Amino acid sequence: QSVLTQPPSASGTPGQRVTISCSGSSSNIGSNNVNWYQQLPGTAPKLLIYSNNQRPSGVPDRFSGSKSGTSASLAISGLQSEDEADYYCAAWDDSLNGYVFGTGTKVTVL
Amino acid sequence: QVQLQESGPGLVKPSETLSLTCTVSGNSISSIYYWGWIRQPPGKGLEWIGSIYHSGSTYYNPSLKSRVTISVDTSKNQFSLKLSSVTAADTAVYYCARFADSPNWGQGTLVTVSS
Repeated sequence: QSVLTQPPSASGTPGQRVTISCSGSSSNIGSNNVNWYQQLPGTAPKLLIYSNNQRPSGVPDRFSGSKSGTSASLAISGLQSEDEADYYCAAWDDSLNGYVFGTGTKVTVL
Repeated sequence: QVQLQESGPGLVKPSETLSLTCTVSGNSISSIYYWGWIRQPPGKGLEWIGSIYHSGSTYYNPSLKSRVTISVDTSKNQFSLKLSSVTAADTAVYYCARFADSPNWGQGTLVTVSS
C-alpha cells in the first residue's frame, strides 16, 4: 500500500513538457526531502532527482523537481521517446521510520 | 562510491524463510545512515520492507512486521533480510539500499516463491 499519491499516467508528444505530481503528508513530504526514480521497462529503478531538486551526475537537465508543503512535482521538458518509463516519488516517513513510495506514474510519449 | 550487492537463493518454497544478504563496499555499515530493503513484485510498484539504523535499531513495514527480521554484520560490512512463512505473494525483485540524501540501491535480485 503506497503512502504517496501519483496520477497513474501522463503523456505528451516529443518536445512537450510533462509534469507529474506526488501528494503526501506532514510526516513524509512535509518534513523530508523527496526523491524521484525512473524505471525503464525491465530495468531497476534509477535515481533521477534527490533532495527535492538535485540531479545526480549524468541526469539531463530536462528533468527537474520541486516541493511545496506536502506535495512535490517532477517536470520533464523537451520530452523524448526514451523518457517512456514509470516514475516513482519517494520520501522518508518520520512516523514509520521508513521509506515510502508513490503509486507510480507511467509516462507515454505519443 | 558506495556500492551494494544483494545475494541469496533465487527460489524459495512456500512456508519457508527467504534469506538475503547485502554486501556494502565503499562505505562502512556503521556509518550514520539507515540501511534497508525494498521489493517490487512483478508488474507492481515499489514497497519498503524495513530499515536498520547504524545503532542497530530496526523499523519494519507494518504489513510485514510479523515476518521480517533485518540484521547487521559489521565484521563483514553486510546486512541481511529474513522473511518467514513466504507465499507466492512474496515473489519479487528485492533491493537493498542505503537511505541517504542521495540514496543508493543494489541492482536487485529476483526471488521466486514456488514449490
